[in-house]
Amino acid sequence: RKEVEQDPGPFNVPEGATVAFNCTYSNSASQSFFWYRQDCRKEPKLLMSVYSSGNEDGRFTAQLNRASQYISLLIRDSKLSDSATYLCAVNYGNKLVFGAGTILRVKS
Amino acid sequence: EPEVTQTPSHQVTQMGQEVILRCVPISNHLYFYWYRQILGQKVEFLVSFYNNEISEKSEIFDDQFSVERPDGSNFTLKIRSTKLEDSAMYFCARQARVNYGYTFGSGTRLTVV
Repeated sequence: RKEVEQDPGPFNVPEGATVAFNCTYSNSASQSFFWYRQDCRKEPKLLMSVYSSGNEDGRFTAQLNRASQYISLLIRDSKLSDSATYLCAVNYGNKLVFGAGTILRVKS
Repeated sequence: EPEVTQTPSHQVTQMGQEVILRCVPISNHLYFYWYRQILGQKVEFLVSFYNNEISEKSEIFDDQFSVERPDGSNFTLKIRSTKLEDSAMYFCARQARVNYGYTFGSGTRLTVV
């Protein structure tokens, strides 16, 4: 099993849609989980941390399921500007390991 | 003001040449990292640097690679003898505290010809 695995997509959705991404990880000892956004040929930018209790930031909701070892990101009311690659990141020891990313394309 | 500044933004080098990539993070952070991303592939961990020492490195980070923080501010990644397959985006990252997310620099695009 890969350390961090994501569905590569692409997810093609209309503006205003709700879209969800999942990410699975193999290390049951991992303690830190994050979602990043990466635009084409740019650096990853931290979108949000993922907490055990789940957390929300505006249109974005992140959840963690430790038993099944996955994290999720829900985007409500998608905007054109949400089009990007979404990376999940999980700590393995003292480093973050990134998934390959899920491509989101929001269309008008 | 960007929190992590990387220079140069793009470097083209001949195979076999040495390159030095530079990163200027906020000086009061203790944890620094180098990652790379080959075009179309995932962001890959290279090395972590804590308290002015390497704390962990990946299999990619072989003897051709080295990191230094020569003056307490700049954080450099050196590739001694570049290969074609070293062509990638190289990102520096800093972490304010344990369990915090990383902040990445804007990257250096290295092209080896």
